[in-house]
Amino acid sequence: EVQLVQSGAEVKKPGESLKISCQGSGYSFASHWIAWVRQVPGKGLEWMGVIYPGDSETRYSPSFQGHVTMSADKPSGTTYLQWNSLRASDTAIYYCARQIKAPGLYYFDYWGQGTLVTVSS
Amino acid sequence: EIVMTQSPATLSVSPGERATLSCRASQSVATNLAWYRQKPGQAPRLLIYGADTRVPGVPARFSGSGAGTEFTLTISSLQSDDFAVYYCQQYNNWPFSITFGQGTRLEIK
Repeated sequence: EVQLVQSGAEVKKPGESLKISCQGSGYSFASHWIAWVRQVPGKGLEWMGVIYPGDSETRYSPSFQGHVTMSADKPSGTTYLQWNSLRASDTAIYYCARQIKAPGLYYFDYWGQGTLVTVSS
Repeated sequence: EIVMTQSPATLSVSPGERATLSCRASQSVATNLAWYRQKPGQAPRLLIYGADTRVPGVPARFSGSGAGTEFTLTISSLQSDDFAVYYCQQYNNWPFSITFGQGTRLEIK
């Protein structure tokens, strides 16, 4: 069974750093792109970027480039989303999602449960 | 940047009736278009990809159509489970981008 399990909710202050995780299981971790998607509570979905765990190639949305970093650890089957300096506007739910089993098609069929990040002074 | 615009923002339909949701791209995305359903407190679920291909396990009452800049998701006979928010999503290979529409809320009339 394919599963993506994300790390738990976080409460941080502006300017602090944070790294959240998404562990995949039940499939070939290295062979599917993983997307990170932001959702401010009550609002829509925003694509942040994708990472290919096989070689850690990343592609970022211009809206998030330079503010977040995606990484992957193949042995543990885990991808990460990291901030060096959080802002209050980063308060949101963050989802990871797996690319479907069709190379070159960027649709996402399995999603993590989401990680709520709250940034407040 | 490719902008995806969904309409209407909110759609009120009675159970058993048909619902038609629209998604328009600011430039052609060929058939690189997916539809997701998101229920409150849950992650999105992929329903349709490639504009018209239903994901295995998705009920046949869901169908997608369109190409280029105009796309439609049709739900033929609404069930209680279908009242949720629906998002379209495109991808483009050069330059690489992925964009979601702002969503259509499907509510019970």
